[in-house]
Amino acid sequence: AQSVSQHNHHVILSEAASLELGCNYSYGGTVNLFWYVQYPGQHLQLLLKYFSGDPLVKGIKGFEAEFIKSKFSFNLRKPSVQWSDTAEYFCAVLNYGGSQGNLIFGKGTKLSVKP
Amino acid sequence: KAGVTQTPRYLIKTRGQQVTLSCSPISGHRSVSWYQQTPGQGLQFLFEYFSETQRNKGNFPGRFSGRQFSNSRSEMNVSTLELGDSALYLCASSTRQGGQPQHFGDGTRLSIL
Repeated sequence: AQSVSQHNHHVILSEAASLELGCNYSYGGTVNLFWYVQYPGQHLQLLLKYFSGDPLVKGIKGFEAEFIKSKFSFNLRKPSVQWSDTAEYFCAVLNYGGSQGNLIFGKGTKLSVKP
Repeated sequence: KAGVTQTPRYLIKTRGQQVTLSCSPISGHRSVSWYQQTPGQGLQFLFEYFSETQRNKGNFPGRFSGRQFSNSRSEMNVSTLELGDSALYLCASSTRQGGQPQHFGDGTRLSIL
C-alpha cells in the first residue's frame, strides 16, 4: 500500500523566511501528487498538483513543489513566507486501483509564521 | 457557484448512538468522497460514491456506511458510535470518478461523549 510521510510536524518561521516542507511517498511507479492547505477554520484547498511533465510545479499564492523521482520526494517551497501562510499543509498521493482512486494523505505539517 | 456544503457543522453524540451526516456537492459534480480527519491518524479515506453507487472503500469497519441520491447529495451513517469516532468528517466532490477530489467542504465535527 502506498504511504506518504511528512517529516516536520510543526514549523515555525519568521515573515520573509524561506520555506521548504518535506514530503516522501512510497510508490515507485507512476504517481499523481498534491499539496493541500488548510487555513484555520477553513476547508482544504488545493495548492498545486503534479501529474506528469515538468517536475517543478507552480501553484497558487507563490508556492511551488519539485518532484524528484529518484528520491521519492515532492517537497513544497516558498521563497518568502507571510503571516497569512500560517496553516496546516498536507501532501497527498493518488492511490489508483483500476478506475478507482482515492487520496492518501500525509499527517500534515503545521506552519506558524511570526509577524 | 456554491461550494461543497456539509451539515450539520457540529454534532455531539454519546457512545452507542448512530449519526447521519449530509453532503451536497458542487452542482454538476457526480462524485462524492468522504474522509475522516483525526489528530492521531490524520486524513483517511472512507468511501467514494459516483452515480449513486459506492465505487471505492477505505479500511473502516462496517459501522461506517453511506449512500448517494439521484441529485448527487450523499449521506454518511455511523452506527454504534465509539469514542474513537470523534473526528472531523470531510466531504469532497469531483466531476469524475476515482480522480482527485476537486473541492472539499468545511466538514462536520463529530464529538462522542
